[in-house]
Amino acid sequence: QKEVEQNSGPLSVPEGAIASLNCTYSDRVSQSFFWYRQYSGKSPELIMSIYSNGDKEDGRFTAQLNKASQYVSLLIRDSQPSDSATYLCAVNSGNTPLVFGKGTRLSVIA
Amino acid sequence: ETGVTQTPRHLVMGMTNKKSLKCEQHLGHNAMYWYKQSAKKPLELMFVYSLEERVENNSVPSRFSPECPNSSHLFLHLHTLQPEDSALYLCASSQDGTASYGYTFGSGTRLTVV
Repeated sequence: QKEVEQNSGPLSVPEGAIASLNCTYSDRVSQSFFWYRQYSGKSPELIMSIYSNGDKEDGRFTAQLNKASQYVSLLIRDSQPSDSATYLCAVNSGNTPLVFGKGTRLSVIA
Repeated sequence: ETGVTQTPRHLVMGMTNKKSLKCEQHLGHNAMYWYKQSAKKPLELMFVYSLEERVENNSVPSRFSPECPNSSHLFLHLHTLQPEDSALYLCASSQDGTASYGYTFGSGTRLTVV
């Protein structure tokens, strides 16, 4: 059974701080990794994808991947109240649908 | 229209009704998916179609019936639903069945069964 684990939160951070969201996965042959943001009542929106070990930066977002330890993380710098949402980690292991974590709810306090 | 379009956005139906959800993708993708998301619960995969062939049916009750007439369109036919079927139904598409580049989701249909 392929699993993706996330802390459900809520994770509360003050405005301007760094929010750190973590995800672990069970399938060692996983190849592609994604972070989706989902506002309450809305559909998930892809915000970051990462395919190789290391860091990938896009604006205030940085995704980090460590395949040896089987974890992927998302850092949000200078967190804003508009970043308050549920963040879903998703993992692809080849010829199967994405496996999603249960999501981490982030609350940025003004 | 761009991306993945779902209609209707909201649907209220009685337990004896028959209705259909529609999804259309304008991305040239070859795989489409139906997911169910209940309140405060994770995404549940329902159906997967790749090149218009159903490749996965995740033990979904027969009161949900999918249809994929071509690679751009996906339907979910609903009949004799139960109140616990009330949820957000999400359609997604990917370039191919491997989903190596992730999914694009539609905006969802909020379904309420009364």
